[in-house]
Formats: sequence, C-alpha cells, structure tokens
Amino acid sequence: GENVEQHPSTLSVQEGDSAVIKCTYSDSASNYFPWYKQELGKRPQLIIDIRSNVGEKKDQRIAVTLNKTAKHFSLHITETQPEDSAVYFCAASTDRGGSYIPTFGRGTSLIVHP
Amino acid sequence: DTGVSQDPRHKITKRGQNVTFRCDPISEHNRLYWYRQTLGQGPEFLTYFQNEAQLEKSRLLSDRFSAERPKGSFSTLEIQRTEQGDSAMYLCASSFWGAGYSYEQYFGPGTRLTVT
Repeated sequence: GENVEQHPSTLSVQEGDSAVIKCTYSDSASNYFPWYKQELGKRPQLIIDIRSNVGEKKDQRIAVTLNKTAKHFSLHITETQPEDSAVYFCAASTDRGGSYIPTFGRGTSLIVHP
Repeated sequence: DTGVSQDPRHKITKRGQNVTFRCDPISEHNRLYWYRQTLGQGPEFLTYFQNEAQLEKSRLLSDRFSAERPKGSFSTLEIQRTEQGDSAMYLCASSFWGAGYSYEQYFGPGTRLTVT
C-alpha cells in the first residue's frame, strides 16, 4: 500500500518568513495530492491540492510543487502570519476504479511567532 | 450549518462497552468516509460508502467495528467490546462523486472517544 512520509514534524518561523513542508510517497500510481490544515480542536480543511499532470499550483500565499520522478511534493507558504499556525497534513491517493482513498502523512505543526 | 456534522462530539466509555457514532454528510454528497485519528498522526482510512453501499474497508477495521449507511444519507459507526486502543478521534468526511465531481473531502468535527 501507499506510504507517505512528511517532514518536518514541527516547524517554527517568524511572522513574514516562508515555510516549506515536504512529503514523499511510495506508490508511483498516486495521482492526487491534497494538503489539509487542521487548527487545534477543529476539523481538517483542504487548503490546496494538485494532480499528477501538473508540476506546480499556486493560490495566493500558498503553493504546492510535485516531482513525480522523485515521488515528492512540497507545500510552500510565503509571508507567514500567526493565523497560519496549525497542523498541516499532506496526503497521496490513487484512482482505484473511481475510489480515491487518501493516505495521510503524520502532520507538521507550524508555529508562526508574531 | 450545512457542513458535515457528527454526534456525539465526545464519548467516554468503559472497556468492554459498545458505542455508536453518527455522521450526517453534506446533503448532496453521495460518498461518506470514516477515519480514525490518534494524537500526532494523520487520519487513517477505515471505510467508505457510495450511497448505501459500503465499497471499501481498511484492514484496520477489525470485526468489532461495523458501519452502516442504510438510506444513503447519515451513517453510523459502531464499536463493540471497546478496548483502550480504540481511544481516538473518529472523523467522518463526505464528497460528491459524479458529473462535475471534485476529489475534495469535507470533514466533520469528529467524535473523540476515550475508553477507560
């Protein structure tokens, strides 16, 4: 089955700095890669996703890059703000007859210091 | 609130007791997923339904776990003879599969189970 590794487990930055979270996956058939943000005590929420036919996707201060050959993908947050503080999860999933069951990484706790 | 809802939000039970959780998905969503999340881990897939059909179950789902979605709307997850290792957050998510579908899954707030 799919295995997703996520690093670092904790990331501490100053407000305004950039933050990068990296994930690797094992199943070369994986073709959909969502990123979820989970604030303390709240539900995970999708913040950005990328499909395997695209190498990069941006949405304001957030971007995701995908390297299919190396089987890794990364989340980039620029101009970090205290409200970006949360746990971020990457996931990888494969189309199995219309089923997309994501395998999640262990999460990165991002702390943005004002 | 038109999002995914779960009930109860917290459940404390004694080892050996049975518990049942409920999930109400977004109304137009035909797919419903159950996950388990423990501290310091990402959500782990348990099972999912398309309408009332249970299409896939994880190997994590032991015989003590059963899920239903009888009318293709809300779903229940029952754990029989609870063990301390069942203590976790149980998350439900829903999505729409069909014309114009999106892969995005919308999560509920979760039910936190504590087995004493």
